[in-house]
Amino acid sequence: DAGVIQSPRHEVTEMGQEVTLRCKPISGHDYLFWYRQTMMRGLELLIYFNNNVPIDDSGMPEDRFSAKMPNASFSTLKIQPSEPRDSAVYFCASATWFYGYTFGSGTRLTVV
Amino acid sequence: AQTVTQSQPEMSVQEAETVTLSCTYDTSESDYYLFWYKQPPSRQMILVIRQEAYKQQNATENRFSVNFQKAAKSFSLKISDSQLGDAAMYFCAYRSSAQGGSEKLVFGKGTKLTVNP
Repeated sequence: DAGVIQSPRHEVTEMGQEVTLRCKPISGHDYLFWYRQTMMRGLELLIYFNNNVPIDDSGMPEDRFSAKMPNASFSTLKIQPSEPRDSAVYFCASATWFYGYTFGSGTRLTVV
Repeated sequence: AQTVTQSQPEMSVQEAETVTLSCTYDTSESDYYLFWYKQPPSRQMILVIRQEAYKQQNATENRFSVNFQKAAKSFSLKISDSQLGDAAMYFCAYRSSAQGGSEKLVFGKGTKLTVNP
C-alpha cells in the first residue's frame, strides 16, 4: 500500500485565493482525519469522517474552511478565501477503529 | 476533555546512550490508547509505539519502550542505544477506546530530541 497520499506537498497562494488540499486514505480505513500543525498551537484536529460521513467538525476554525469526502478514497479540505493566518502544515490521516493512525506527508500551506 | 502534557520542550542525548521522554495525560475514561509519534525534519508523522490502557505490560518495539503508569496517568518513552536517526520531534497522543468515545487523537505539544555524536 502506498500509504496516505496528500497533494500538493507545498502550496503558496495569495491572500483571498481559494486553496484545495487533497487526500487519498489507505484502502480499507474507515476513518479520515484532517489536522493542522502550527508552532503556536501544535497539532489540532479540524474535522474527521467515519465511512465518509463527517462526525466532528468542531475544530474547523470558521466558515472559510470546508471539508468533503465524496467517497471512501478521496477527501478535500478547502479554504476560501485564504488568509495569512491559515499558513500551516495540514495533515490528513486515516485509521481503522482498532489500530493507530497513518498520516500523510502533509501539505505546507503558505498564504502571502 | 482529555489533555496531554509533555513537560520537556527539548531534550538531548549522546549517541548510544538512553533517554526518557515524559508524558502525562488527564482523562476520566478507563479505556483508551496511548501513542508515541516521531516527526523527523521530513515532517512525516511516524508511529513509534502504542499502549492499550487495559494492558499492564509495557509495550516495547526494538529500542523503544514505554513506562505506563495508569494510576499516575503517566506514559514515558525510553529510547535505548540512541542513534542519530532518532533525532526528531516526539509527540505523545491519547485516543479513547470507550464505547461512544471520540476516535480523535489528542496530542501533546511535543519534545524535540537532539542526538549528539
